[in-house]
Amino acid sequence: EVQLVESGGDLVQPGGSLRLSCAGSGFIFSNAWMNWVRQAPGKGLEWVGRIKSIADGGTTDSAEPVKGRFTFSRDDSKDTVYLQMDSLKVEDTGVYYCTSDQSGMGDYWGQGTLVTVSS
Amino acid sequence: DVVMTQSPLSLPVTLGQPASISCRSSQSLVHSDGNTYLSWFQQRPGQSPRRLIYEVFNRDSGVPDRFSGGGSGTDFTLRISRVEAEDVGVYYCMQGTHWPLFTFGQGTKLEIK
Repeated sequence: EVQLVESGGDLVQPGGSLRLSCAGSGFIFSNAWMNWVRQAPGKGLEWVGRIKSIADGGTTDSAEPVKGRFTFSRDDSKDTVYLQMDSLKVEDTGVYYCTSDQSGMGDYWGQGTLVTVSS
Repeated sequence: DVVMTQSPLSLPVTLGQPASISCRSSQSLVHSDGNTYLSWFQQRPGQSPRRLIYEVFNRDSGVPDRFSGGGSGTDFTLRISRVEAEDVGVYYCMQGTHWPLFTFGQGTKLEIK
């Protein structure tokens, strides 16, 4: 059974940093491209960014609102991807989901982790 | 940037009746590789999103066959042949053809009348 488990969400002040983790199991993690999607309270879904598999270059792409502030990485020895969030803003508040891309984006989702940016 | 527009945004439906959600994109979603990257997701209250349909009409494993997707170019539709209580939630379309890589519609909230 495929599982994705996010962790690391917390309350942080504006301008602060946070690192989210997403651990996968039940599939060949190293082959999977992984995405992060967020959802502000009571709002819709917003794609945040993606990291390709190492075999496909390990390159990353990010949405404009987070470009230059968020960094995506992976450690396939731990079947884990990371989202490093710096210079956090109030508008970054929301639930952050990791989702896999094995048969297209969003085939499996984690339960999400809540990030609250507030003073 | 491509914009995804769903309608209606609220959809009250009687149990056992059909339901239909429209999704329109501001640009054709036909990719240069010939595929059309349009997916549908369901988010039940308090749960994570779940993909129902990918590449317009392909149903994900475990998705009931009362769900079907169709359309082409810029106009797409998610249909539920007979709504059940467990279908309550918000439905999103998403494109994966143009930059930004993935763009979601605003969501359609399905509720039981």
